Amino acid sequence: SQQGEEDPQALSIQEGENATMNCSYKTSINNLQWYRQNSGRGLVHLILIRSNEREKHSGRLRVTLDTSKKSSSLLITASRAADTASYFCATSRNTGNQFYFGTGTSLTVIP
Amino acid sequence: DAGVIQSPRHEVTEMGQEVTLRCKPISGHNSLFWYRQTMMRGLELLIYFNNNVPIDDSGMPEDRFSAKMPNASFSTLKIQPSEPRDSAVYFCASTLDRGLATNEKLFFGSGTQLSVL
Repeated sequence: SQQGEEDPQALSIQEGENATMNCSYKTSINNLQWYRQNSGRGLVHLILIRSNEREKHSGRLRVTLDTSKKSSSLLITASRAADTASYFCATSRNTGNQFYFGTGTSLTVIP
Repeated sequence: DAGVIQSPRHEVTEMGQEVTLRCKPISGHNSLFWYRQTMMRGLELLIYFNNNVPIDDSGMPEDRFSAKMPNASFSTLKIQPSEPRDSAVYFCASTLDRGLATNEKLFFGSGTQLSVL
């Protein structure tokens, strides 16, 4: 399987705290993307980082990528109750446009 | 744009029955993906179409599953006969593939919750 693995599986924090979740993958990639899924809904794209990038920011999101360790992290700063959702990383290889998703981190932000 | 549209939202059927899930991708997108989501296995890529042609169906679990894309605005995923272990949420996603493995972001539908009794 080409799927990645997110860590931790579940995370519960207080509103205002930062949330960090990690993703490890198995093969060489073209890029890595993070998605969010609210309960009962489809996934929504958050941010994309290419294999030649090490860090990327978008609003309260910060993504890092370490291709030597085959890992990425997603940091959500100053979390809000509305950030409660599951977060998935998705990888795509250098050949083809298939996207493979990890197992997800369930984030709960307590007001 | 209405986004990716899937139907039905919920499907309850009995074992052995045929199930057809439908997807309308975003207009102008040329790549379409079917995923299955379960607690045990997470999100699994079932099949991927590019310009209406199946490119990779290695994720299709077995011969009971088939997918078609007769034109750029419609795709179906069929399960015949259905089994209880097929119960899952099935997602359709689309994107614009500009070639050169650009790996653009996916746009997901709301999914079909399938329950096979």
